[in-house]
Amino acid sequence: NAGVTQTPKFQVLKTGQSMTLQCAQDMNHEYMSWYRQDPGMGLRLIHYSVGAGITDQGEVPNGYNVSRSTTEDFPLRLLSAAPSQTSVYFCASSPRGAYNEQFFGPGTRLTVL
Amino acid sequence: QKEVEQDPGPLSVPEGAIVSLNCTYSNSAFQYFMWYRQYSRKGPELLMYTYSSGNKEDGRFTAQVDKSSKYISLFIRDSQPSDSATYLCAMRVSSNTGKLIFGQGTTLQVKP
Repeated sequence: NAGVTQTPKFQVLKTGQSMTLQCAQDMNHEYMSWYRQDPGMGLRLIHYSVGAGITDQGEVPNGYNVSRSTTEDFPLRLLSAAPSQTSVYFCASSPRGAYNEQFFGPGTRLTVL
Repeated sequence: QKEVEQDPGPLSVPEGAIVSLNCTYSNSAFQYFMWYRQYSRKGPELLMYTYSSGNKEDGRFTAQVDKSSKYISLFIRDSQPSDSATYLCAMRVSSNTGKLIFGQGTTLQVKP
């Protein structure tokens, strides 16, 4: 099992550019989520999904879109990047209902200039 | 004010010391309490979790929850250099949601 994988590992964008952060898991987990981690702020939930075709907003959803067409993949789209979106982004997954242990990917470090 | 507050440290202790990490929270609806460990440039991984109030022990680690004081703690006994990491507390309100609310994380360094 590869677990939760994220690509790319690093990315530099210019203000206004768009991009998609990829997340995939091979554990057949129904629940997937995206967090951002900023110094002094901990991890904050951006969007989450309880299964294919179902997504919902978390704590800080503005400027991000998600979709869930398959169980395995949960991409995060930045529509028009802003410097405030400079952060480390983590994708996580768990079986539905077993939410205490969420399995995190290695993260994507994003810098927006 | 954040729902979950955690002293960011950094905390530096000698090898073998007992470490106490703490979080306070304001939402009395939290029922599930977790501690995640995050090594540098890695994703967090679950260390242990408790439900409602009480203690839970796993090897050198003990988690305590005091819901009346809205205070949770993680104790590490006989700390090792390999325990050097950032420790994040996390909480959620019910069994039906996977939405975790994290503290800021405490960075711990255990010196040999």
